[in-house]
Amino acid sequence: GAVVSQHPSRVICKSGTSVKIECRSLDFQATTMFWYRQFPKQSLMLMATSNEGSKATYEQGVEKDKFLINHASLTLSTLTVTSAHPEDSSFYICSATLAGGSSYNEQFFGPGTRLTVL
Amino acid sequence: KNQVEQSPQSLIILEGKNCTLQCNYTVSPFSNLRWYKQDTGRGPVSLTIMTFSENTKSNGRYTATLDADTKQSSLHITASQLSDSASYICVVSASDYKLSFGAGTTVTVRA
Repeated sequence: GAVVSQHPSRVICKSGTSVKIECRSLDFQATTMFWYRQFPKQSLMLMATSNEGSKATYEQGVEKDKFLINHASLTLSTLTVTSAHPEDSSFYICSATLAGGSSYNEQFFGPGTRLTVL
Repeated sequence: KNQVEQSPQSLIILEGKNCTLQCNYTVSPFSNLRWYKQDTGRGPVSLTIMTFSENTKSNGRYTATLDADTKQSSLHITASQLSDSASYICVVSASDYKLSFGAGTTVTVRA
């Protein structure tokens, strides 16, 4: 149980274009979904927290107009990288917590999306 | 500032040998500590989660320890296998559920 999927797993795009990444909780309803970015040999860095039906909360230094997050349902959140630039190339990982939660409030991570901007 | 420091940064071990990874943290107020395994190009997968009152937890050949007084944790891998080659990340959750991530220890198991 508690499986999170991401689509696509890899994407290559041209500079200036927009890319949408989907994050789905497959067998549970997710109260909250998180979006992380990971650069090579570095740990995950939280970009934003999104709750279903409300605006995402962005971490300091993350541009909300560049990284658009939509959490339309309890099983789907999307991250759109707008006007992508080569420096946006990174590994994007989402995670989700169970609606109703647990004592650990555990986050279940997706497999990640490798974005390469040419 | 909440911080999580892991050591060593990387290590190489021979198949069948044991190894121990360290994690020190300054996260407060503490809620729980998790160890994740992250294969290259994949998302993290949970190995263990421990709360304040738990000082050891096992998951197969992985055994985590927690000393909440000294704010230290370790992850011990027994009888390593080639498939154990990965990055191991220590993650500490504060009471507000914010996660603080360590930089990870990269383990390479050689035949």
